[in-house]
Amino acid sequence: DIQMTQSPSTLSASVGDRVTITCRASQSISSWLAWYQQKPGKAPKLLIYKASSLESGVPSRFSGSGSGTEFTLTISSLQPDDFATYYCQQYNSYPRWTFGQGTKVEIK
Amino acid sequence: EVQLVESGGGLVQPGGSLRLSCAASGFTFSSYEMNWVRQAPGKGLEWVSYISSSGSTIYYADSVKGRFTISRDNAKNSLYLQMNSLRAEDTAVYYCARVRGDYDILTGYYKNYFDYWGQGTLVTVSS
Repeated sequence: DIQMTQSPSTLSASVGDRVTITCRASQSISSWLAWYQQKPGKAPKLLIYKASSLESGVPSRFSGSGSGTEFTLTISSLQPDDFATYYCQQYNSYPRWTFGQGTKVEIK
Repeated sequence: EVQLVESGGGLVQPGGSLRLSCAASGFTFSSYEMNWVRQAPGKGLEWVSYISSSGSTIYYADSVKGRFTISRDNAKNSLYLQMNSLRAEDTAVYYCARVRGDYDILTGYYKNYFDYWGQGTLVTVSS
């Protein structure tokens, strides 16, 4: 299976900060990567698909980039509602979908 | 509005069985592929099982193969997961998730990810 590794595992930031989360794949997945946001006790919510396509209704402060094995999720100006855990998911290897271990964005 | 509502979770002893359900509404359920994804307490997300829109194609993660059975009833807009021979490591919140596909022009196939998720149902395997 393709292994997905996120860094950092935890990130402390303040409202208004620019935040970047990295996701690395153990082999090339082209641009077949999604990002999800999960808040405690809630279901994951799709933010980004195909590495850089913003899901409808998701604020434009979220953006994704990358291809091959290295990807990033950027929040341009962190808002109070953005404190959550973020997961990347590769969907190149079907049906062996795999997720990163998650990055928790905490209040500094 | 797309809604996925899981039910059927609970406390079960090791070796026991449980059947989870996912009720879908707000979209044409019979047109969509579906999945089960689980999350152990304090851990990350793990894909469990996939079923095609007609139910003719099914896949399982190695960790549940031979013990879990996915199925669907398109007339009832429902997805199911029959879980047998449960183990402590199956303890998790189980989510149903709808598939959306991106067309890959290089292969001619769709690459699938998950666009809507239910709120989850907790399964606890413990004596």
